[in-house]
Amino acid sequence: EAQVTQNPRYLITVTGKKLTVTCSQNMNHEYMSWYRQDPGLGLRQIYYSMNVEVTDKGDVPEGYKVSRKEKRNFPLILESPSPNQTSLYFCASSPGAGVNNEQFFGPGTRLTVL
Amino acid sequence: GEDVEQSLFLSVREGDSSVINCTYTDSSSTYLYWYKQEPGAGLQLLTYIFSNMDMKQDQRLTVLLNKKDKHLSLRIADTQTGDSAIYFCAESSGTGGFKTIFGAGTRLFVKA
Repeated sequence: EAQVTQNPRYLITVTGKKLTVTCSQNMNHEYMSWYRQDPGLGLRQIYYSMNVEVTDKGDVPEGYKVSRKEKRNFPLILESPSPNQTSLYFCASSPGAGVNNEQFFGPGTRLTVL
Repeated sequence: GEDVEQSLFLSVREGDSSVINCTYTDSSSTYLYWYKQEPGAGLQLLTYIFSNMDMKQDQRLTVLLNKKDKHLSLRIADTQTGDSAIYFCAESSGTGGFKTIFGAGTRLFVKA
């Protein structure tokens, strides 16, 4: 089944404790992206990647890192999480340019930073 | 920077039509999208329209685009309780990049 998976789905952590949220897609998509969803603000893009080893900042990259060593995986790293990073995070993938740029979303990771 | 705006709530009766509106600022938008988010799930593409089109119809869904006013609307005919969800308007310049700007989402309530 074609899908985007994220782990963990739920995470409660404390300020300053490094964490990684994994994202994997099995559709051989070139583009991958991370968003955070906050009430009243919709989805805001954190980072995106157009291919292996090619990443770029979205609108709200501060406090986050990403890597794209393999096509299928795009982990999101919070080196020193803070309470303002409490949010619902979505990973998405897309086939690439030349099509309608439809994005396929993972189920979300709800993160709480105490 | 680019922005996408939409109203936050809409309530309709089952069987009526729903119209969700959206405005955007990026005049170079190539694709405009409507995504649907059901409770506890990720977003799923509902429909999209290319910027050189005025209208697109897909079963109960009608998308209207007024490029001059940068206004996009989604009409759902014969709205059902299963249509209750959050609907996100989004735009992309589609230039080979991956920058998609989303609105805040409109929560549609369908009353039985």
